[in-house]
Amino acid sequence: ETGVTQTPRHLVMGMTNKKSLKCEQHLGHNAMYWYKQSAKKPLELMFVYSLEERVENNSVPSRFSPECPNSSHLFLHLHTLQPEDSALYLCASSPGKGPWNEQFFGPGTRLTVL
Amino acid sequence: KQEVTQIPAALSVPEGENLVLNCSFTDSAIYNLQWFRQDPGKGLTSLLLIQSSQREQTSGRLNASLDKSSGRSTLYIAASQPGDSATYLCAVNSWGKLQFGAGTQVVVTP
Repeated sequence: ETGVTQTPRHLVMGMTNKKSLKCEQHLGHNAMYWYKQSAKKPLELMFVYSLEERVENNSVPSRFSPECPNSSHLFLHLHTLQPEDSALYLCASSPGKGPWNEQFFGPGTRLTVL
Repeated sequence: KQEVTQIPAALSVPEGENLVLNCSFTDSAIYNLQWFRQDPGKGLTSLLLIQSSQREQTSGRLNASLDKSSGRSTLYIAASQPGDSATYLCAVNSWGKLQFGAGTQVVVTP
């Protein structure tokens, strides 16, 4: 595997389900990000992790819970979601969290909440 | 608060024409600007990264310019091909955060 991978690629869940999205980066980077892309809206930054420490949380509802067990893996745990949470969730990584670092994106997980 | 605008929202050109995509931003205090390509339902592919000290970057048929003082960047794609059909996003890095525009959807017709 190379670059940034995400699983699953597609997920359909009910509002009472609990599921997790997984992201793995094979680039030796130290920072990882979760973004949300809703239809017809710009990408929104959700969370930033640097060296496994959460450094940014952009007012994301608590039904989204991130976890970064090591610098290569990032999870987004989902519970009691709403239909408006249906979106493409993108993971990214960068060498560090400094602003000069280029971010590399995964293919995304298409989430549908029924 | 940084705001990023991309105009037009959609563009259709015949194969062989040059593409010109515009991106504007409100706060000139940026570290860099990235142009991405996104195919339907897919992730983002980075095309070009321009640091704030640079005026342009080139990669093959792609050329991106940056005018920080006027808050503008332009992506030129020479001799467009049907395979260039995609949505193009610009993202401005301000204070460590990437702020994205809504994108320009491009269709290149054979």
